[in-house]
Amino acid sequence: ILNVEQSPQSLHVQEGDSTNFTCSFPSSNFYALHWYRWETAKSPEALFVMTLNGDEKKKGRISATLNTKEGYSYLYIKGSQPEDSATYLCAHTARSNDYKLSFGAGTTVTVRA
Amino acid sequence: GAVVSQHPSRVICKSGTSVKIECRSLDFQATTMFWYRQFPKQSLMLMATSNEGSKATYEQGVEKDKFLINHASLTLSTLTVTSAHPEDSSFYICSATRGQITDTQYFGPGTRLTVL
Repeated sequence: ILNVEQSPQSLHVQEGDSTNFTCSFPSSNFYALHWYRWETAKSPEALFVMTLNGDEKKKGRISATLNTKEGYSYLYIKGSQPEDSATYLCAHTARSNDYKLSFGAGTTVTVRA
Repeated sequence: GAVVSQHPSRVICKSGTSVKIECRSLDFQATTMFWYRQFPKQSLMLMATSNEGSKATYEQGVEKDKFLINHASLTLSTLTVTSAHPEDSSFYICSATRGQITDTQYFGPGTRLTVL
């Protein structure tokens, strides 16, 4: 079993403020790191897939970085808006696990107006 | 886009009955579909992987006779929870990929199962 940890479990941020949170994963046999955004009563939405150490991906006000050597990824939200309120999941795939997604428990972000 | 639907979204059943959950890819052909389960405050846990026309591959600890998976077409997979018991109450969610297992997985909205 590959342990993927996300921190913090939840956070509250004021509208307009920026925030970030962490996903840590085993660095051995790394293949890819996925970020999903999951709004209540909807399907998880794929945000990013990153494979190379040092990768940075950006989608609007949301960006992510990847460090495969130390086994962590950060997700950043710049200028948070109420529509950013969601649970953000990261998932790790490894060759040793047949490339199956191993998920963290998520970070739930609540943006206060 | 890549849309995956799931039906029903919520189901309540009596202990001992069987429940079928459908997962459909609406605008693409899904070579591979996955079934996950999530208990409160825990992460999504993979239950099984299915490829169209072949038997599903179950993760360790998942009873294949209790959780029957049928992937009869490139757009439909079903999960049947047989002889459900209260401990089977959980959130079940499916996903699908267009091609390889390493491709992006597109998720359905999930099904909340409550067994009384």
